Formats: sequence, C-alpha cells, structure tokens
Amino acid sequence: DTAVSQTPKYLVTQMGNDKSIKCEQNLGHDTMYWYKQDSKKFLKIMFSYNNKELIINETVPNRFSPKSPDKAHLNLHINSLELGDSAVYFCASSQIRGRTYNEQFFGPGTRLTVL
Amino acid sequence: QKEVEQDPGPLSVPEGAIVSLNCTYSNSAFQYFMWYRQYSRKGPELLMYTYSSGNKEDGRFTAQVDKSSKYISLFIRDSQPSDSATYLCAMSAASSASKIIFGSGTRLSIRP
Repeated sequence: DTAVSQTPKYLVTQMGNDKSIKCEQNLGHDTMYWYKQDSKKFLKIMFSYNNKELIINETVPNRFSPKSPDKAHLNLHINSLELGDSAVYFCASSQIRGRTYNEQFFGPGTRLTVL
Repeated sequence: QKEVEQDPGPLSVPEGAIVSLNCTYSNSAFQYFMWYRQYSRKGPELLMYTYSSGNKEDGRFTAQVDKSSKYISLFIRDSQPSDSATYLCAMSAASSASKIIFGSGTRLSIRP
C-alpha cells in the first residue's frame, strides 16, 4: 500500500554510464516531481509534470531527462553519469487544486553513487 | 545568498526540552510555509503547513510565521527521542505553489 514508490533504492554505477530511476504513485495525484538531495541534505526541485506535461524545469544538465508515460509514473533517465550526480533522488506527488498550496508526498528515495 | 537559510545544526537537547527551529528567507512573494520532518534514510513528510503570517498549533508542535521579518519558526514542546530527525523548512509563492523551496535542514537529536 506504498503511496509513492521508487526503484531501485540503491544504485551504484561507473562514471559515463546511463541509468534510470522509476517512480510510481497510487494516490491518484495529477502532478509528480523529482528532487535531488545532496550530501548536506539540501533538497532541490529538478522537474515537475502535471498530467504528463512538464510544468517545472529547473536548471539541470541536459543529461537528465524525465519521462512521464502516464499520470501515475515519472521516470528519470540520466546519461553520461558524473561524480557530482551522486546524491539521493526523491520522487514526490501532489494533487493541484488551483493556485493554492498542495501537499507533496515523497517517496523513500534512491541513493545514487557514481564511482 | 540562498532564498531560504536554515542553520544546519546539529542541535542536541535533553528529552522534555522545548526546541526552537528557525528559517529566514529573502523572497517576499512566499505565501505558503511548511515544515517537513525527515528521518534518516527516509523521504521528507509534511509536519506543519501555514498560510501567510500567524501561528498554528498541532499537538506539541507550533509553527510561527513573521512575514515582516521574513522569519519562520517551529517549536516542539516536551520533546521526545522519537522527534530526533532532520527538520526542513520549506516555502512557495502563490504564483507557483507547486515549486517548493527548501531550507538545508536542521539535524535534531533528543537525548533520553
């Protein structure tokens, strides 16, 4: 009955590889997000999709490409991994209701280590 | 200068103490103010949410927002060892409520 799930939980890979992280939510929300949390716990938004449409696209390298096949899934593909990509990546989801705050529910995180 | 500043701690207090956690911010457009709690190796979870200025109380937790000073606080009364976690302040503007800007988090430890 996990609300927001991510796979894999841990990912260790070599520099230069391409990898994907998957996210699924069963809350029926229309908006999903990807965040990056660095070693100092700083959590920063990367992307957001609303009904499969990109609505937030922060300044991240082109090597990062989100893909939303449907409202319940938002995957993150990373090309040519670099050492600086090592971090914990969190997926989140929310239901947007007009121009007001909407609680975001976070997944458990994927700890990416690039060697 | 970051949009949201938060003392990273760590902060260690004895059980039963009152804890005060704070954040300052620079963007006057922020209208929604949140506190998230993150346990080790887990995702953040919403603890408190406040709209604009004022106080909000929920059990042992009180959130305060002072928009004139661009300063928000979270108070924890009768702190418990289970409150040990990283506390992240967060905020967003009305024009882009979904785009949440987080502080760097304060690591809190409650000693039994």
